[in-house]
Amino acid sequence: KQEVTQIPAALSVPEGENLVLNCSFTDSAIYNLQWFRQDPGKGLTSLLLIQSSQREQTSGRLNASLDKSSGRSTLYIAASQPGDSATYLCAAPSNTGKLIFGQGTTLQVKP
Amino acid sequence: ETGVTQTPRHLVMGMTNKKSLKCEQHLGHNAMYWYKQSAKKPLELMFVYNFKEQTENNSVPSRFSPECPNSSHLFLHLHTLQPEDSALYLCASSQSRSSYTFGSGTRLTVV
Repeated sequence: KQEVTQIPAALSVPEGENLVLNCSFTDSAIYNLQWFRQDPGKGLTSLLLIQSSQREQTSGRLNASLDKSSGRSTLYIAASQPGDSATYLCAAPSNTGKLIFGQGTTLQVKP
Repeated sequence: ETGVTQTPRHLVMGMTNKKSLKCEQHLGHNAMYWYKQSAKKPLELMFVYNFKEQTENNSVPSRFSPECPNSSHLFLHLHTLQPEDSALYLCASSQSRSSYTFGSGTRLTVV
């Protein structure tokens, strides 16, 4: 049974800093892993999807990696901005299609 | 628009009312989902539909009744709700276990 964990629960950094968000999963037979962003009271916005055959995906200042052997994924945010402040969630689908979410990391980027 | 449209965006209803939430996806996906997100709590999967057939009911009370008339539309019928049902209700779609897309959500308040 897949379990997904995100640590830390909250992170505060000054503007301009590069940062890494962590996601761990228990089942290495992962189908794919998706990173989402959620602003308060809003829906989830998909940031990056990494297929099981891929090692990383990049979009703008974001880079996500996947290491199945260690059960880890990271989301790297370069040159953070106050607009990056949000909750970041990673998720992996179960065999039945149910998305298993981590608890999320709430990021605050201070000007 | 993300490709998944939810209406209404906000809903206030009394405990004796009957209302419905609507979700429509324009992505040609074959699976649709309802999630509930209460304040300060993780996302809870409520229902899963694959090819219009309900494949998962996550022990949801019968006062929530889903309906999936076709693979593009999903409804959540609400009746005799309780104040603790106040939450953000999110709809999502996917093509099997591939990339999941979420709607913007309906903020429900039960008074």
